[in-house]
Amino acid sequence: EAGVTQFPSHSVIEKGQTVTLRCDPISGHDNLYWYRRVMGKEIKFLLHFVKESKQDESGMPNNRFLAERTGGTYSTLKVQPAELEDSGVYFCASSLSGGVRTGELFFGEGSRLTVL
Amino acid sequence: AQKITQTQPGMFVQEKEAVTLDCTYDTSDQSYGLFWYKQPSSGEMIFLIYQGSYDEQNATEGRYSLNFQKARKSANLVISASQLGDSAMYFCAMREGWAAGNKLTFGGGTRVLVKP
Repeated sequence: EAGVTQFPSHSVIEKGQTVTLRCDPISGHDNLYWYRRVMGKEIKFLLHFVKESKQDESGMPNNRFLAERTGGTYSTLKVQPAELEDSGVYFCASSLSGGVRTGELFFGEGSRLTVL
Repeated sequence: AQKITQTQPGMFVQEKEAVTLDCTYDTSDQSYGLFWYKQPSSGEMIFLIYQGSYDEQNATEGRYSLNFQKARKSANLVISASQLGDSAMYFCAMREGWAAGNKLTFGGGTRVLVKP
């Protein structure tokens, strides 16, 4: 069974441009999360989907970030316009409903974003 | 306030020896979960071990064990019989409450390099 997949693995763009990151969760996982790690800092929570609904988006840094999850399947995270401080690694993770008490949170390999 | 602290940014360990990675946390919740993840050079975050705040016994998963000292708010990871493949970044994380939907707070990570 395929794990969480993310695309692209690395994106290099100029300040002011737009980038869209995609995440395909494990099939059947209702919960989908976005995290990011900015250089030298901790991994930070961005938002959480349950199926197609945003359950918690308290970690989204500002309105330049837009996350969607069409039909409760894959998710996209768009950054528009990108700024230098957006550079980092964006992780997607998914879990089954009810996976609260254990570490049943499966991460992808991350999408590295470099904004020049 | 920082909620997860990993004081060791990096460390070397000799192959076949045990290594302890430190993690302290801060929370006022009585119900919480503690996680350790491994991030090899491939970038994927791999779940290693989980400890619930009400679990009376320390969690173990193969060569990984979690030294949970609730009064001291520490959750150190012990890797026994280190292997070359254990070289990676290790992250400690915490989920506060049972209803947090697996929203995790991460520490800054510890890079481990296993020497042959």
